[in-house]
Amino acid sequence: QITLKESGPTLVKPTQTLTLTCSFSGFSLSTSGVGVGWVRQPPGKALEWLALIYWDDDKRFSPSLQSRLTITKDTSKNQVVLTMTNMDPVDTATYYCAHHYGSGSFHWFDPWGQGTLVTVSS
Amino acid sequence: SSELTQDPAVSVALGQTVRITCQGDSLRSYYATWYQQKAGQAPVIVIYGKNNRPSGIPDRFSGSSSRNTASLTITGAQAEDEADYYCNSRDTSGKLLVFGGGTKLTVL
Repeated sequence: QITLKESGPTLVKPTQTLTLTCSFSGFSLSTSGVGVGWVRQPPGKALEWLALIYWDDDKRFSPSLQSRLTITKDTSKNQVVLTMTNMDPVDTATYYCAHHYGSGSFHWFDPWGQGTLVTVSS
Repeated sequence: SSELTQDPAVSVALGQTVRITCQGDSLRSYYATWYQQKAGQAPVIVIYGKNNRPSGIPDRFSGSSSRNTASLTITGAQAEDEADYYCNSRDTSGKLLVFGGGTKLTVL
């Protein structure tokens, strides 16, 4: 059974850097085709893909946020860390991590973590 | 193009059939994945690939695709299907991912 759980601060101040950790079990991030992604959702709004790290350490980022995002993995700890710099109130959202698998023309995020609400406020 | 377009809201009478669509250039090359999100919960995958349902997803959910449009069909909608539905795919480069804006399904 695959499970993921996000952890990190619930409140950050504007201009600060957000660091979120995704701790997972039930799969290895060294298995070919596997990845872990981050998706956020502002209150009452749509899902927004942020970043994805693959088993081979290939990293992909949303073009609109690429300059602010870093993603790393620690295969031995079964963790993926996302950092987002220069936080702003518009970054207030629930942040999800999810197991990703892709092959050819299809891919999916499944399952997802429970999400963690991050509020940006002074 | 990196956009996937969904209708903001759709309604269906209990027991009737509803189709939720997702349009985007990348769908000519890549399948959409569909997620259901109920209030206060994390998204759950309902359809992936050509028309594949993960275990535990009722067979009233099905997917299809034509040209630049992917569709999620619920045949015989139930009250518990009331939720937000999101499509997700790769962008036209195949290297990045994108979500649609979501469709709020109301079951009347």
